[in-house]
Amino acid sequence: GAVVSQHPSRVICKSGTSVKIECRSLDFQATTMFWYRQFPKQSLMLMATSNEGSKATYEQGVEKDKFLINHASLTLSTLTVTSAHPEDSSFYICSARKGLGTDTQYFGPGTRLTVL
Amino acid sequence: GEDVEQSLFLSVREGDSSVINCTYTDSSSTYLYWYKQEPGAGLQLLTYIFSNMDMKQDQRLTVLLNKKDKHLSLRIADTQTGDSAIYFCAASETSYDKVIFGPGTSLSVIP
Repeated sequence: GAVVSQHPSRVICKSGTSVKIECRSLDFQATTMFWYRQFPKQSLMLMATSNEGSKATYEQGVEKDKFLINHASLTLSTLTVTSAHPEDSSFYICSARKGLGTDTQYFGPGTRLTVL
Repeated sequence: GEDVEQSLFLSVREGDSSVINCTYTDSSSTYLYWYKQEPGAGLQLLTYIFSNMDMKQDQRLTVLLNKKDKHLSLRIADTQTGDSAIYFCAASETSYDKVIFGPGTSLSVIP
């Protein structure tokens, strides 16, 4: 199988604090991980592509200083939302790719972030 | 860039077939996917099709691809209440490229 986990599944924080979300590939090594954001009743918007050992590639309009991504190992990528504000409240989903040339990405269960 | 469109809502009676339609714009898209998302959950890959295929069947699921019209459909036979969810059509140019998602179709199954 190919299982991707995220932690925490749900987090509530105060405005101005930073929140870290972890994405782990449990049974495979992921050379690339992707971070998506999903607004209520909307589609997934790709935020950034994270390759192990290198800087993340951010999509246009995504603030890299706001959404810090670290892909320190082949099984772990983290997304830190810095100085979170209520407009950052969203469902964040990661996915992991199982090496080059494989069929698809495997998605995590998502993290619901609520900023008060 | 790629743009993926879907109808937003579909309602069917239990036992009927559901057909969810999708169109995409980029003829370079080689991989076309259908994902299912249940409330509050992540995405589950249902099936995918390569652009050199016209049809793919997997148990109750049938995917049809009209590459000329850039039209993709997902047919769910004998739809059950457990099939109620949001279905996302998605496309990517290669297996390792970013995936572009459609807006999702909310399927409601009436008992």
